[in-house]
Amino acid sequence: QQQVKQSPQSLIVQKGGISIINCAYENTAFDYFPWYQQFPGKGPALLIAIRPDVSEKKEGRFTISFNKSAKQFSLHIMDSQPGDSATYFCAASMLNDYKLSFGAGTTVTVRA
Amino acid sequence: DSGVTQTPKHLITATGQRVTLRCSPRSGDLSVYWYQQSLDQGLQFLIQYYNGEERAKGNILERFSAQQFPDLHSELNLSSLELGDSALYFCASSVVPSGSMTGELFFGEGSRLTVL
Repeated sequence: QQQVKQSPQSLIVQKGGISIINCAYENTAFDYFPWYQQFPGKGPALLIAIRPDVSEKKEGRFTISFNKSAKQFSLHIMDSQPGDSATYFCAASMLNDYKLSFGAGTTVTVRA
Repeated sequence: DSGVTQTPKHLITATGQRVTLRCSPRSGDLSVYWYQQSLDQGLQFLIQYYNGEERAKGNILERFSAQQFPDLHSELNLSSLELGDSALYFCASSVVPSGSMTGELFFGEGSRLTVL
């Protein structure tokens, strides 16, 4: 059973557009929410992460929005670039528990 | 380059066979994780070792086993292989701090297993 539900499965965006990926969770004990980026033939790599004590975290063109009451979080990719084309995974874990539960992944394609 | 090394990169074998996947974690990382990535299941946590001892278990089949050796490298053994075991197997490593966590897992490039 997937503990973190991710949508959409895939999306296509034009260069310069905004990509939005959504995730929802049920386990209220989760308190660490990272996003991983995976390019074809490579392993996932940490992109950005957030804890529930903040509602938003921004790193460059990537922003996580977190809604604790709704048990949802999302990744926004601003000014999307072809180099952002990859599969993005949201994940969640409990404090000091490195056993990440991953969402199913979203394949993002940025058209030039 | 994450610093995590996995071998072999590709493996083709037949049903009923046994294979061993190997992982060398980043220098200094004491914890090793194994994940299975398939098209229909996404990234599924299998098992975690910390400094040679099993720390957590996920959806790992009884036909699968793992261990972490004193030099901290890890092996994932898959036996009585079935067609459905075909997947990408990732190893990841991390430092497990005693205080607040960073939570970052460093993944290798995976071992692609094809069972025919």
